[in-house]
Amino acid sequence: QQQVKQSPQSLIVQKGGISIINCAYENTAFDYFPWYQQFPGKGPALLIAIRPDVSEKKEGRFTISFNKSAKQFSLHIMDSQPGDSATYFCAARMQNTGNQFYFGTGTSLTVIP
Amino acid sequence: NAGVTQTPKFQVLKTGQSMTLQCAQDMNHNSMYWYRQDPGMGLRLIYYSASEGTTDKGEVPNGYNVSRLNKREFSLRLESAAPSQTSVYFCASSSGTSGNTIYFGEGSWLTVV
Repeated sequence: QQQVKQSPQSLIVQKGGISIINCAYENTAFDYFPWYQQFPGKGPALLIAIRPDVSEKKEGRFTISFNKSAKQFSLHIMDSQPGDSATYFCAARMQNTGNQFYFGTGTSLTVIP
Repeated sequence: NAGVTQTPKFQVLKTGQSMTLQCAQDMNHNSMYWYRQDPGMGLRLIYYSASEGTTDKGEVPNGYNVSRLNKREFSLRLESAAPSQTSVYFCASSSGTSGNTIYFGEGSWLTVV
């Protein structure tokens, strides 16, 4: 059973466009929601993260929107660049059960020039 | 600052052979994890160690064992490798405190033939 559901599986965006990746969860015990970026041959690296008491967090071109009542959160990449082409994972942490992190299935983003 | 270091980077095993993946972190983190990454499946938790001296099963523990040797080191052992264990394995660590995220190693590519 997938604890965190992520969509779409792949995404192609023109340079300068907006990339949007969505995630949904069911377990209300999750208390922290990070996004990771992974380039081929590398480990995932933290991109941006949000707590459930905040509805939006912005860092440069990257924004997380969080809807606690709908149990959904999304990553928006503004002014997408070819260098943003990577796989993106959403995740959710459950601190009260040993600090477990659950990951979505990933979105392969391609930004075309 | 090395962060999370895992070895080996690449390994080919024959079915039935055993091997151990080694992982060490230099961030004084309490929690350590082993994930496997397969196409379309995202990152799935194999085992984790919330703190030194404890280990717990994750989502896909069958066929694996772990040892939390000390606070720095967390190894993953395949006792009798199977082709279904062909995957990319990531070790990760986290401080375990509220709001802290998870840091990944570079990955170990394992092929079982």
